[in-house]
Amino acid sequence: EADIYQTPRYLVIGTGKKITLECSQTMGHDKMYWYQQDPGMELHLIHYSYGVNSTEKGDLSSESTVSRIRTEHFPLTLESARPSHTSQYLCASSVGGLGDYGYTFGSGTRLTVV
Amino acid sequence: DAKTTQPPSMDCAEGRAANLPCNHSTISGNEYVYWYRQIHSQGPQYIIHGLKNNETNEMASLIITEDRKSSTLILPHATLRDTAVYYCIVKTSGTYKYIFGTGTRLKVLA
Repeated sequence: EADIYQTPRYLVIGTGKKITLECSQTMGHDKMYWYQQDPGMELHLIHYSYGVNSTEKGDLSSESTVSRIRTEHFPLTLESARPSHTSQYLCASSVGGLGDYGYTFGSGTRLTVV
Repeated sequence: DAKTTQPPSMDCAEGRAANLPCNHSTISGNEYVYWYRQIHSQGPQYIIHGLKNNETNEMASLIITEDRKSSTLILPHATLRDTAVYYCIVKTSGTYKYIFGTGTRLKVLA
């Protein structure tokens, strides 16, 4: 049973369109993350949030933006999609703390920009 | 955070134990070892974590050497569904970001 939900699962969209990838969790986790992963490649952290109204850029530069207005919701937006944005985007959340029990990941959104 | 080194791929016969090694020779005293796996292109799944003692749960066992410079994830009776990429990550307590490396691609053979 998934406690973190990503929509849509698959998205094919034209160049120049604005898109928002949704991520919601029902676990009350204060920390949330976005990772980008190309097929067969490593996961790269692109954004994270440690709580409401807190967002930070990750280790991989990304043209996307995020917001955290509610604890349970952490959407990612691309203002003008390009073919280079084609990738899988994975959202995760965690409680954090000493020896915490790690991340819970969503199923991902596979984005194709044509 | 300390870096980890894992073999790029391993095979294991179904029903046998799968032992996945990880080197983390620069690990610090307050850094935990975490293991995740990613089946096909799904989101990674948490398996187990530890600081210095060996740990066991319903999925796997984690053996950490006394000097903490390496660890081994053990899947006691591997099944075909355990075929996945396994990531070993070292994370400092109090930080919340993970750096995923390239992991070990485990293939369980029938």
